[in-house]
Amino acid sequence: QKEVEQNSGPLSVPEGAIASLNCTYSDRGSQSFFWYRQYSGKSPELIMSIYSNGDKEDGRFTAQLNKASQYVSLLIRDSQPSDSATYLCAGYSSASKIIFGSGTRLSIRP
Amino acid sequence: GAVVSQHPSRVICKSGTSVKIECRSLDFQATTMFWYRQFPKQSLMLMATSNEGSKATYEQGVEKDKFLINHASLTLSTLTVTSAHPEDSSFYICSARDRTARETQYFGPGTRLLVL
Repeated sequence: QKEVEQNSGPLSVPEGAIASLNCTYSDRGSQSFFWYRQYSGKSPELIMSIYSNGDKEDGRFTAQLNKASQYVSLLIRDSQPSDSATYLCAGYSSASKIIFGSGTRLSIRP
Repeated sequence: GAVVSQHPSRVICKSGTSVKIECRSLDFQATTMFWYRQFPKQSLMLMATSNEGSKATYEQGVEKDKFLINHASLTLSTLTVTSAHPEDSSFYICSARDRTARETQYFGPGTRLLVL
């Protein structure tokens, strides 16, 4: 079992809709979680971090964390074509290492 | 967010030569930096963890004598690809961990290496 799992996609969402990206993790000791966006040919860019159960909102992005279910999600409201990218979920494990998921490809169709 | 720079952004070299890539944290001190490699349409692959003032920790299957890592200061880590071959052509990305920001990792812009 991978330590951080994501659906590879591609996830296709119409412009203006809500894109929902999901991630599960296996290490119950993980405390910090991150979402990165990676455009094709570019390096990952941090877009959200979350440490507590519940929701954290930043503009059109909302991260959700449920430690009991070992589940992290990212919602993107009012999706734009510029949101088309690969989204990487990451967790800071109890082994003092950030573990990345393999990423979900998101495509926003006009 | 914090800034991490990488230099060079792109390098083309002949087979058999060595290439050095620098990674700098510009506005925070990073006792730990990471080196990743990414082939087209594939996931990030962690190569090694670079610790300031001590030896790097390499992931399984990564040759430490081929990929030399030096982390001599709190803001600079270097990766040297020795005797590069065409199969080493890839996108190399460093990241730096900011311990004052709950261990958040910030990525550099990456270095695209092409070995002819």
